[in-house]
Parts: sequence; C-alpha cells; structure tokens
Amino acid sequence: EAGVVQSPRYKIIEKKQPVAFWCNPISGHNTLYWYLQNLGQGPELLIRYENEEAVDDSQLPKDRFSAERLKGVDSTLKIQPAELGDSAVYLCASSLDSGPNEQFFGPGTRLTVL
Amino acid sequence: QKEVEQDPGPLSVPEGAIVSLNCTYSNSAFQYFMWYRQYSRKGPELLMYTYSSGNKEDGRFTAQVDKSSKYISLFIRDSQPSDSATYLCAIHHGGAQKLVFGQGTRLTINP
Repeated sequence: EAGVVQSPRYKIIEKKQPVAFWCNPISGHNTLYWYLQNLGQGPELLIRYENEEAVDDSQLPKDRFSAERLKGVDSTLKIQPAELGDSAVYLCASSLDSGPNEQFFGPGTRLTVL
Repeated sequence: QKEVEQDPGPLSVPEGAIVSLNCTYSNSAFQYFMWYRQYSRKGPELLMYTYSSGNKEDGRFTAQVDKSSKYISLFIRDSQPSDSATYLCAIHHGGAQKLVFGQGTRLTINP
C-alpha cells in the first residue's frame, strides 16, 4: 500500500511569490495534518482536517497561509506571499482518526525562499 | 516554556553502545507517549508507543514512562550505524487531539 504522497519534494522561490504544496493521504485515513518543521526542531501542527472539515487551524497564519481538502481526500497548502522566514520543511501526515493513533508522514516538501 | 522539552544533542556514540534519549513534559493530562524516528530527508515514522507508566520493550528498543516525574525515555541497546537518525518524542494531547513533539535529538552511531 502506498504511503502518504507529497509533491513537490523541493521548491525554491523568491520572496513575495506564491507557492502550493500537495498531499495525498493513505486511503481510508479520515484525518489529515499539515506540519511545519524548521531545521533542528520537531514538527509543529499547522492544521488538522477531519474529512473535509478543518477542525484545528489555530496555528495557521491565516494572513498568508490557506489550505483546503476537497472531497476529504487530497489536500493543498498554499502560501501567498511567501516570506524568507517560511523556509522550512512542510510535512503532511494522515491517520485513521484524530485519537492517539499512529500518524503516517509523507517525505515532506523542502521550501527555500530567497 | 514548551510543553515538551527534549535534550537537543547532537549525540555521537560508538557502535554497540547503550543510548539513552530523554524528554520531559509539563501537562499532566498527557496520556499517550510516542517515539518517532526521522532519517535525513524523510518524514518521521513511529518507533514506540506507550500509554502507561513503566517500560515497554521491542527488540533493542525500550520506552520508559514516569508519569509522576513527567519524564519519558528511549533506550537503544547494541546500537547500530543504521540507528543514526533524529529521534523525536511525541505526546498526544487528548483535549486538543493533537501530537506535541519535542525538538528532536540527532543521534550518530559510529562504526
């Protein structure tokens, strides 16, 4: 069975440009997470979806970040406009539900903002 | 103060050594404790999962939880070069239904 798929794996953009990341979770997983991981730090939750509903977006900087999970499957995370401080790895994870279950992570998208 | 604090390392030990990795947490409501392993350029993967105080063993790995001290540990016996990775403690916050990660300890096992 395929794991969590993310694309692109790497992205280099100039500041003020928009960027989008895509995630395809494991089939049957209702809960999808987007995390931000800075260098030398653990993942920090940006947003959690239960099916197509964003149930926790308290840590998402809504002035520049947006996300969607249409039809409760794939998800897209967007940044517009990007800032230098947004350079990081963006991880997508999925789990059966939001209980204390194993979260399965994708390989991440490494974003560099110049 | 972060909810989960982890010794940042980095930690470098010779092959065959016993490794001890540790985290402390502040919220007594935390009930489920996990260790994730993250290889370079990869996403984290679950290594160990416990929900009570005491020890849980899986091969060369032992997870230890002390709820009275709010302290969790991961021990690796007979460490191998393939164990070289970043180890992240993660605690499930039941109220918020989310995982809170430590900052990770980068471990290198030298042949």
